[in-house]
Order: sequence, then structure tokens, then C-alpha cells
Amino acid sequence: DAKTTQPNSMESNEEEPVHLPCNHSTISGTDYIHWYRQLPSQGPEYVIHGLTSNVNNRMASLAIAEDRKSSTLILHRATLRDAAVYYCILRDGDDYKLSFGAGTTVTVRA
Amino acid sequence: DAGVIQSPRHEVTEMGQEVTLRCKPISGHNSLFWYRQTMMRGLELLIYFNNNVPIDDSGMPEDRFSAKMPNASFSTLKIQPSEPRDSAVYFCASSLYRDRKYEQYFGPGTRLTVT
Repeated sequence: DAKTTQPNSMESNEEEPVHLPCNHSTISGTDYIHWYRQLPSQGPEYVIHGLTSNVNNRMASLAIAEDRKSSTLILHRATLRDAAVYYCILRDGDDYKLSFGAGTTVTVRA
Repeated sequence: DAGVIQSPRHEVTEMGQEVTLRCKPISGHNSLFWYRQTMMRGLELLIYFNNNVPIDDSGMPEDRFSAKMPNASFSTLKIQPSEPRDSAVYFCASSLYRDRKYEQYFGPGTRLTVT
């Protein structure tokens, strides 16, 4: 399985943007980049995914490097509700598996 | 939509007892996953069903664990006999695999404590 590397933790102030980096230097051409998050005492929640182009949805933006070896999840205005563990996951296009690593624990200060 | 429903939300049992966890996937989804989460090992995939058929059970820790999906709207994960090391949060997730998209929707989990 292709692996991802994320910082263990990040802190942010409320209403400021948060940029969560993810390195995936061994990514293959068919790997999708997925982001999930897990709020305290809840199950993981899908955030966004992309293949080659940057993606935006109501929750976040995903910026993918041109060589696809890294990506950044952007939360435009952090709220206290965004405090969670964020997982960056590579999934082969023909595979069903999501392999969750340790993720990045995001703390939002009021 | 009600989302993925799991029951019970909390289960406390004694070692040696049988435990059954239940999951109702999102209507229309054709894939179902059982995961286990612990502090030590993180989130692990136990078993994957597609169209009610078990496709990959390589993550099931041992024969004490079994999972069934008798129809598209119900699945169970059974542990018999249970042991203290089975204490964890068990999540069920469902997905509709279409056009190479595979967003998984997780339930709230069942927190299992085996004493």
C-alpha cells in the first residue's frame, strides 16, 4: 500500500485558515487522495478526495502538487467544530480499501 | 437519510460471553465494512462485504470473530467467546461503489468493554 506522512498535530485559531500537509511520495498514477476526519467520539467522516486537479467542496479545498507527491487540505475558516483527527489516505482507483494512519490532530483555539 | 445505524452504542460484557454488534447500512449502498479502533492499533479494517457477499475477511483477528450480512439492510459482527483484548470501538461503514468513487459513510460506533 502506498503510504502517507502527516504531522502529528496542528493548532489553529478560530476563523483562521488551516493548511494540513500530506506527503505521499510513492503515489501511483491510479491512486486517489482521500481525506477523512474524525471528531471526538464519532466515526470518521468523508471530507474530500481528488486525483490530479485541485478540488473544492463545502467543507474544504484540496490542493494537489503538480507531481502528486504531496497535497494540502485547506479549511478556509476554522471553527471549534473542526477540531478533529484528519486522515490523508491513498486509495487505488480499483480498490475498496482505506488504510487509516495516525492522522493529524487539529486543535482550534477560540 | 438516517445514515449508518449501529447498535448497541455501548456494550459491557464479561470475558467468555458472546457479543453481537449490529449494523444497518445506508439504503441503496452495496458495500459494507466493519472496522475496529483502539489506541494501540488505530483504525483497522476487519471485513468487507460487496452485495452481501464477504469479499475480504483478512482483517478478522481470529476464529472467535464472525460477520454476516443476510440481506442488504443488515449485518452483524459476532465475537464468541469475548476476551478483554477485544475491548475497542467497532465501526460499521457503507458505501456505493460507482464510477470508481468510494466514499465510505461511517456509523457512530459501538464501544465494547470486555471485563
